[in-house]
Amino acid sequence: DIVMTQSPDSLAVSLGERATINCKSSQSVLGGSYNLNYLAWYQQKPGHPPKLLIYWASTRASGVPDRFSGSGSGTDFTLTISSLQAEDVAVYYCQQYYGRPPKTFGQGTKVEI
Amino acid sequence: EVQLVESGGDLVQPGGSLRLSCAGSGFTFSDFWMTWIRLAPGKGLEWVANIKQDGSDKYYVDSVKGRFTISRDNAKNSMYLQMNSLRAEDTAVYYCARDPPGGNSYYFDLWGRGTLVTVSS
Repeated sequence: DIVMTQSPDSLAVSLGERATINCKSSQSVLGGSYNLNYLAWYQQKPGHPPKLLIYWASTRASGVPDRFSGSGSGTDFTLTISSLQAEDVAVYYCQQYYGRPPKTFGQGTKVEI
Repeated sequence: EVQLVESGGDLVQPGGSLRLSCAGSGFTFSDFWMTWIRLAPGKGLEWVANIKQDGSDKYYVDSVKGRFTISRDNAKNSMYLQMNSLRAEDTAVYYCARDPPGGNSYYFDLWGRGTLVTVSS
């Protein structure tokens, strides 16, 4: 199984500042006919289900503000919140969907103000 | 409205059984891979099991193999998770989630609100 490791486990960022979350996979998730990275990011607020933010490592989901961006390739990925807003306080997860299941998640990163 | 609604969560004793249901609406249920994902207290998200559109392929995380069974009834727009031999470590909120259109066991663009399973004596 592919193991996903996020860093840091938690971070505190001032309003308007940049937040950066890293995600590393135990093997490359780059592949397929179109040479894509099989990596997604989710945001989960307490008492709510996860919300898809980013897929194919860098494509924003519909309705996601452009302060959220994803980057990286192969085994190393980053989610960046360019200017943190109060409503961005949440736990963020990366998930790989490369190859056969299980489609594993990182352990999560808690973002606070 | 496009949505997923889980049901069936409850308090159950160790060794007991429970059946979760996930009902989809507002979309053609039979067109999508479907997945169960759980969130245990103080832990992160864990992918549990998924099932292909026609039910012909099913996959499980190692920790539930032989104890949990995923199934679906496309005529009822529903997916199920039969959970047997439950353990304390199965305590979690269980979410059902949908692949994106055209997805092939990929990421999840639609989630239910979850149903709580508590395994305790």
